[in-house]
Amino acid sequence: DTGVSQNPRHKITKRGQNVTFRCDPISEHNRLYWYRQTLGQGPEFLTYFQNEAQLEKSRLLSDRFSAERPKGSFSTLEIQRTEQGDSAMYLCASSLEVMGQFFGPGTRLTVL
Amino acid sequence: GDSVTQMEGPVTLSEEAFLTINCTYTATGYPSLFWYVQYPGEGLQLLLKATKADDKGSNKGFEATYRKETTSFHLEKGSVQVSDSAVYFCALSIQGAQKLVFGQGTRLTINP
Repeated sequence: DTGVSQNPRHKITKRGQNVTFRCDPISEHNRLYWYRQTLGQGPEFLTYFQNEAQLEKSRLLSDRFSAERPKGSFSTLEIQRTEQGDSAMYLCASSLEVMGQFFGPGTRLTVL
Repeated sequence: GDSVTQMEGPVTLSEEAFLTINCTYTATGYPSLFWYVQYPGEGLQLLLKATKADDKGSNKGFEATYRKETTSFHLEKGSVQVSDSAVYFCALSIQGAQKLVFGQGTRLTINP
């Protein structure tokens, strides 16, 4: 399968724990995006990378959130000291240009 | 700020009915417009797009026309099938920006 992959698909954690998600984009895509989707809502933009450079971050991305794309390939999104309000689906997308973003299946986070 | 508003769901139709899902937008620049579809248990898929006023995007029998005068991008299909049951998201991207701004989604159910 040559699409965008995300791991894990599901994560259950206790409040206060740290979690890390991984996204593997389509191999030739240089742009990578993270979004968050809560139940009944559309995805909300979190951050964007072009190659290894993080070029834009949403105000939704508090200090507890950090994202990296160290070699311009896969990316990780870490949430420190998780809160119940962090429970959501975290989506990764990649593209060669802004006009066509391809989404992964998402990581569903549940914070107890 | 930039935003997208979709008609309230859920929408329930019988097979072969005509479908319209309304989408209007507010944008500070010149947006490109998109429809994404999320089938049960799957990730978001790009359904169609339009990049400038009066453009018509089409795919899989679905169509949407970029109407600048009414700031709208309504999704239509002449004869829906059970397999079209999904959640549909309207989205925009401002020229020069990288992120997608999504509407809240419209759940469509087609009954045989």
